[in-house]
Amino acid sequence: NAGVTQTPKFQVLKTGQSMTLQCAQDMNHNSMYWYRQDPGMGLRLIYYSASEGTTDKGEVPNGYNVSRLNKREFSLRLESAAPSQTSVYFCASSDASNQPQHFGDGTRLSIL
Amino acid sequence: GENVEQHPSTLSVQEGDSAVIKCTYSDSASNYFPWYKQELGKRPQLIIDIRSNVGEKKDQRIAVTLNKTAKHFSLHITETQPEDSAVYFCAAKGGGGNKLTFGTGTQLKVEL
Repeated sequence: NAGVTQTPKFQVLKTGQSMTLQCAQDMNHNSMYWYRQDPGMGLRLIYYSASEGTTDKGEVPNGYNVSRLNKREFSLRLESAAPSQTSVYFCASSDASNQPQHFGDGTRLSIL
Repeated sequence: GENVEQHPSTLSVQEGDSAVIKCTYSDSASNYFPWYKQELGKRPQLIIDIRSNVGEKKDQRIAVTLNKTAKHFSLHITETQPEDSAVYFCAAKGGGGNKLTFGTGTQLKVEL
């Protein structure tokens, strides 16, 4: 039982390049989330999907897009990467918004 | 939207002492308050959570208290051990939303 799986684990991009971060969960959870974590700023929500077929903006959505491909998978896309998007990205899932969130191992993304 | 403040940002205690981390929230309708522990380079992991219908919850050396009137909740760790050293995050789910808002984290260091 893998839980929440994120790929890739590390990535270096050049400014202006595009990239999609992948996330999959095997817990049959309804809700999925994308966060970014920067030093001293905690976890900030980028986008979330409360249920299959829906997506909503979080606190810091600018520069990102998401796709809830099916119940298991929720991807995050950077269309034109900027150095300010250098961060650690975490995907999480939960059965509902008032249930514990389970996190993946994160993707460490550097944009030069 | 919900706003969560967390204090202190760093906390150093001697092994065996107690540690207390405090959080305040802004949305009086918030109803779910989890705490996460994150070791260096690892994913955040849930350690305890509390819902708005109870005032206190305990799990071995960890306890959380909730004061809805004052809109604050606290994490208490007793008999601290070196393996308790990590960053701890509080979070709150606003009454009208489907997402968590996280505090900025507390770096706990347990010294021998």
